Amino acid sequence: DSGVTQTPKHLITATGQRVTLRCSPRSGDLSVYWYQQSLDQGLQFLIQYYNGEERAKGNILERFSAQQFPDLHSELNLSSLELGDSALYFCASSVAEGGGGGALWNTQYFGPGTRLTVL
Amino acid sequence: QKEVEQDPGPLSVPEGAIVSLNCTYSNSAFQYFMWYRQYSRKGPELLMYTYSSGNKEDGRFTAQVDKSSKYISLFIRDSQPSDSATYLCAMSAGTSGTYKYIFGTGTRLKVLA
Repeated sequence: DSGVTQTPKHLITATGQRVTLRCSPRSGDLSVYWYQQSLDQGLQFLIQYYNGEERAKGNILERFSAQQFPDLHSELNLSSLELGDSALYFCASSVAEGGGGGALWNTQYFGPGTRLTVL
Repeated sequence: QKEVEQDPGPLSVPEGAIVSLNCTYSNSAFQYFMWYRQYSRKGPELLMYTYSSGNKEDGRFTAQVDKSSKYISLFIRDSQPSDSATYLCAMSAGTSGTYKYIFGTGTRLKVLA
């Protein structure tokens, strides 16, 4: 158990709908990362937050947004859902924001994921 | 060209075999190298991390980094059916504001009993 929690485990919804995925990082971790993993794709980095502020953006669609709250939990909002958005969504956390501090401070620990199915 | 290349497999080996998993990379700025294991429908879990060129051993696992060749490997000795999973390499570089943490696409390993 990595200490990162994600809810819900599974989500089934229809095209055009909006959903919110939730992540609680490991105790003491300030960074939260969101990833998308489709069947044939590797981990696609979406976005990173550090202590409430956006730190890095990857291949995140404009229909997707995220935020990190003062208690450090994070939410990923997916709107106007399309069939192609069906995937596993992972949250990861690390102590540091990236860069410096050595491997342990920046190593990412993953949650169990949320499986999103868009019908 | 992707920054990190990893053979997707699948790789099937008999129980007890030595497994070699590899990644190549193009960005010489990468400083830290990690291996994750991902079981089906689960989140990736960190197996090992290394910083410098050379070998690092942890039980049946050995991580090897050759920065001059931009090549990293993970060796699994005495492989077990429970090692059947997807193995992802990851590497990182940079400082705050320019930080990169890149994953390979993963190699699927199946250890046959």
